[in-house]
Amino acid sequence: SQTIHQWPATLVQPVGSPLSLECTVEGTSNPNLYWYRQAAGRGLQLLFYSVGIGQISSEVPQNLSASRPQDRQFILSSKKLLLSDSGFYLCAWGRLAGRSEQFFGPGTRLTVL
Amino acid sequence: LAKTTQPISMDSYEGQEVNITCSHNNIATNDYITWYQQFPSQGPRFIIQGYKTKVTNEVASLFIPADRKSSTLSLPRVSLSDTAVYYCLVGDLNYGGSQGNLIFGKGTKLSVKP
Repeated sequence: SQTIHQWPATLVQPVGSPLSLECTVEGTSNPNLYWYRQAAGRGLQLLFYSVGIGQISSEVPQNLSASRPQDRQFILSSKKLLLSDSGFYLCAWGRLAGRSEQFFGPGTRLTVL
Repeated sequence: LAKTTQPISMDSYEGQEVNITCSHNNIATNDYITWYQQFPSQGPRFIIQGYKTKVTNEVASLFIPADRKSSTLSLPRVSLSDTAVYYCLVGDLNYGGSQGNLIFGKGTKLSVKP
């Protein structure tokens, strides 16, 4: 069976500090991978998606970046965090064809102070 | 991707059937309709997906009229544990490089009371 992992579960960082969130998927190969952010009281916002190693598409301009160094590894980074980067970050994976069902990880709660 | 419109919130009582309607007036021929459920501090979870008419699984039913401009998620006999946010999404399953690129709105917050 497939599983998706995210870490850390919670994170408190000062403004201006760097960020690295990691997501890994097990039990499947060549998945589509996604990073979402959910601010308090709002819907999910797609940040990045990747259809393969080294292939990253950005949905919104921001001070965040994403990388996919391995097939089942997706990393969300920032060089300098802003207060507005606070939120619930979710990683998800989906298959290339067929149903558009996405499977979400447990999420990372980021608070920027 | 087609834009969707859902009620912001709904209230219900245990044991009742709940119907949440989603409008998607500009749905495209290749678009499917998918519903997700999200509990606080968790990622969304797939509930059901359909293209037309009616789809039923072990947790819900999805009703889609012939014009496909709306859809209704039906939850039979809800319990307190069904309190969550429900998202309606519309998208093309096979669209190029952003295949599976889903846009989540604010969803419908369902509150089930005892």
